[in-house]
Amino acid sequence: AQTVTQSQPEMSVQEAETVTLSCTYDTSESNYYLFWYKQPPSRQMILVIRQEAYKQQNATENRFSVNFQKAAKSFSLKISDSQLGDTAMYFCAFMSTRDFGNEKLTFGTGTRLTIIP
Amino acid sequence: NAGVMQNPRHLVRRRGQEARLRCSPMKGHSHVYWYRQLPEEGLKFMVYLQKENIIDESGMPKERFSAEFPKEGPSILRIQQVVRGDSAAYFCASSTRERHNGEQYFGPGTRLTVT
Repeated sequence: AQTVTQSQPEMSVQEAETVTLSCTYDTSESNYYLFWYKQPPSRQMILVIRQEAYKQQNATENRFSVNFQKAAKSFSLKISDSQLGDTAMYFCAFMSTRDFGNEKLTFGTGTRLTIIP
Repeated sequence: NAGVMQNPRHLVRRRGQEARLRCSPMKGHSHVYWYRQLPEEGLKFMVYLQKENIIDESGMPKERFSAEFPKEGPSILRIQQVVRGDSAAYFCASSTRERHNGEQYFGPGTRLTVT
């Protein structure tokens, strides 16, 4: 079974600074997807960024980018020029592609990020 | 194009009552996933359904919990004889198989409180 570990329960950073959230995972599969989800106080789950394991290039979405190290099974999220609206819980998630059509996600325990004005 | 809808948003039940949580997937989506989020924890997979079929229920507690996704109407997560430990946020997500890119769309969740 896959596991996802987020070792930073809480982080805080000054507005406009850069912050990196860590995530490691364990799997024996070679192809899979990794995700970062944001959960603001509203509790809505919002997809931030997605990475396909067979793609070597790190995914980027505006101020959000990942550092995907497949051999190390590491998938960190970098938020540049952080904004107050980035304050939220951030969850790392894993999806196997072994069972075609079954896209259940395995989540980490989350990192609570606070952006300080 | 409406997103994933869940109702009710908040549900209070006394111990021993039944809870029914509803999820309407996005238009054109035939795959529904239910997740549970206990306080201060991440989301945990419960069950995966397609229309009229349960595909994967490996995350469902063996007793008191059931789920369905009928041909017509929303998906229902049913919890019988609720206990305090069932208090949690329950999220559903939907996807379309045709893309299979891992992109799930989440509803706003139902927060269940058992008193």
